[in-house]
Amino acid sequence: DAGVIQSPRHEVTEMGQEVTLRCKLISGHNSLFWYRQTMMRGLELLIYFNNNVPIDDSGMPEDRFSAKMPNASFSTLKIQPSEPRDSAVYFCASSPGANYGYTFGSGTRLTVV
Amino acid sequence: GENVEQHPSTLSVQEGDSAVIKCTYSDSASNYFPWYKQELGKRPQLIIDIRSNVGEKKDQRIAVTLNKTAKHFSLHITETQPEDSAVYFCAASIGGYQKVTFGIGTKLQVIP
Repeated sequence: DAGVIQSPRHEVTEMGQEVTLRCKLISGHNSLFWYRQTMMRGLELLIYFNNNVPIDDSGMPEDRFSAKMPNASFSTLKIQPSEPRDSAVYFCASSPGANYGYTFGSGTRLTVV
Repeated sequence: GENVEQHPSTLSVQEGDSAVIKCTYSDSASNYFPWYKQELGKRPQLIIDIRSNVGEKKDQRIAVTLNKTAKHFSLHITETQPEDSAVYFCAASIGGYQKVTFGIGTKLQVIP
């Protein structure tokens, strides 16, 4: 298994542009988590899905952020329009169930200029 | 919701010494406690976890202890090596839920 796969690895975009981050889960995992990591705030949970259904999106900072999980293996996180304060490393992680650890993807380093 | 506090925020030890990182949690319903290691520029990786039906778990140089009464758990690394230098995160999840709450992280530096 190739693990959790994220793309792109790096993204540099101008303020106001739309950004789409992608994540492919490990086969057989039924939960998907999107995290944002910054020096100031550490690891922040943005949203998570269980069996393709969004369970908790209370961490999504604003309406500019949206996430989808169109099937059991794939998810996207979209920021529209992007702002410089969105600059961070975005991780997705998947898990096979409650009381099991997460497997993180390699992350997407987003820079909004 | 759950709240996880972690300390110290930074820790420097000499190679070969032991390192201890401590965490406390707030919700007595929490029953799963994973630890993650994140090397510079890399993803967090699960290194060990413990469930509430055990008090201690060991894996080579790494051990975790759990005190449910006091609601705290700790990571112990013995015979530290330079490759142990990283940020370590503790986490806790409430029984039956997949969402975990992370601590703020401890930056461990092992000095050769």
